[in-house]
Amino acid sequence: QQPVQSPQAVILREGEDAVINCSSSKALYSVHWYRQKHGEAPVFLMILLKGGEQKGHEKISASFNEKKQQSSLYLTASQLSYSGTYFCGTDQSDDKIIFGKGTRLHILP
Amino acid sequence: DTGVSQNPRHKITKRGQNVTFRCDPISEHNRLYWYRQTLGQGPEFLTYFQNEAQLEKSRLLSDRFSAERPKGSFSTLEIQRTEQGDSAMYLCASSRDSKQYFGPGTRLTVT
Repeated sequence: QQPVQSPQAVILREGEDAVINCSSSKALYSVHWYRQKHGEAPVFLMILLKGGEQKGHEKISASFNEKKQQSSLYLTASQLSYSGTYFCGTDQSDDKIIFGKGTRLHILP
Repeated sequence: DTGVSQNPRHKITKRGQNVTFRCDPISEHNRLYWYRQTLGQGPEFLTYFQNEAQLEKSRLLSDRFSAERPKGSFSTLEIQRTEQGDSAMYLCASSRDSKQYFGPGTRLTVT
C-alpha cells in the first residue's frame, strides 16, 4: 500500500513554483510530508488529517483530498534551500506511516 | 527540546555478527518507530512501540531482527547474524500527536 508520488524528479530555477503529488489506493487517516537532504534524516514539514484541510508552512503548503486519497505539496517561489528529496507518508489508522519513493527536487540559481 | 538521538552513527560489521543500535526519543514522546532506508528509497517501516508495548512489526521483517523498549524510554534494535542485505540506514523516530520526528540514523555496513 505504498503511496505513489509524482513526479519522480523536478528541476527548477530559483523563484519558480512546484507541485508534488501523492496518491494512495487506501482510505487514509493522515498524510505526512517530509524533506530529506543528502546524508541527513528526514525533516518533518507538515501533517494533514482527514477532513480535506490545507496547511501552510512558510512558502510551502499542502492539501489533502480525503475522497480521492490524494495530497499535493505546493512550493511557492522556491529557494535554493528547498532542494532535497520530498517524501509523502500515508497513515491509514493513526499508527504507522508508509512512505512513498520520494520526489527529488533540484533548485538552480 | 533535545531531538531524537541514535548511537552509534556508523557501524561496520562482518557478515554473521550481531549488532545493536540504540535510540533515545524526545522526552515524553510515547511512540517510538524504527525504519530502514536504502539509497534512493523512502524509509521502510520496521516496528513501533507505544510506551513499552511493541504494537506492530512489519511482516517483511526477518526473525533476525528484534527490538525492545524497556520502561518506555530508549529503544534498542538488534540484528542477529547480519547479512550483506542488511546494509542500510536505520532510522528511529518518536512522536506525540501523530507527528514523527526522526533521529540522525545509524548507517550499517555489512562486509
